[in-house]
Amino acid sequence: ETGVTQSPTHLIKTRGQQVTLRCSSQSGHNTVSWYQQALGQGPQFIFQYYREEENGRGNFPPRFSGLQFPNYSSELNVNALELDDSALYLCASSLEGARGNEKLFFGSGTQLSVL
Amino acid sequence: GQQVMQIPQYQHVQEGEDFTTYCNSSTTLSNIQWYKQRPGGHPVFLIQLVKSGEVKKQKRLTFQFGEAKKNSSLHITATQTTDVGTYFCAGGLGGSYIPTFGRGTSLIVHP
Repeated sequence: ETGVTQSPTHLIKTRGQQVTLRCSSQSGHNTVSWYQQALGQGPQFIFQYYREEENGRGNFPPRFSGLQFPNYSSELNVNALELDDSALYLCASSLEGARGNEKLFFGSGTQLSVL
Repeated sequence: GQQVMQIPQYQHVQEGEDFTTYCNSSTTLSNIQWYKQRPGGHPVFLIQLVKSGEVKKQKRLTFQFGEAKKNSSLHITATQTTDVGTYFCAGGLGGSYIPTFGRGTSLIVHP
């Protein structure tokens, strides 16, 4: 196991609602990345937080927002949910941020279904 | 969309046969990583390659990084049923080391 924990494991929401997903990073890691994985696809990068600052962002709209806390845990917030937001949301922790050592340790993910 | 292309999408093999998946990018990659995701699981890091032309081996797995740092491959010798899963390459694009994942190759091993 990686030591990265995510909650909840499953979630069902309706279109237009808001959701918050949580992630606790592996001990000693200061960077958290969030990925969205649709069925049959590779993980798509949403954003990364390094020492509480956003360190990079993928091609996702502003209704996807995040936060990293002083203990390096993190939240992913999605507003105005759409049907296409249904996916597995993966959190990954790593050490040192974008410094050439981006070995990712993934949590088990949160499976979000939007009805 | 994905800027790291991976082929094939699926590969069926008989146990004992070899397997190869290929990863390509139109731009130079800072590095290339490989991950394995078992059905219902999450991606697990396998290896990272950084240098042009680098080759690394892990038991039956051989990883290569192209000379131009635009392509990579993973080769499994004599597949076993435990090799079943989806193999993803993930490269750092545009000078970034943040991994951009390919679509993955799903390996199905028939006993």
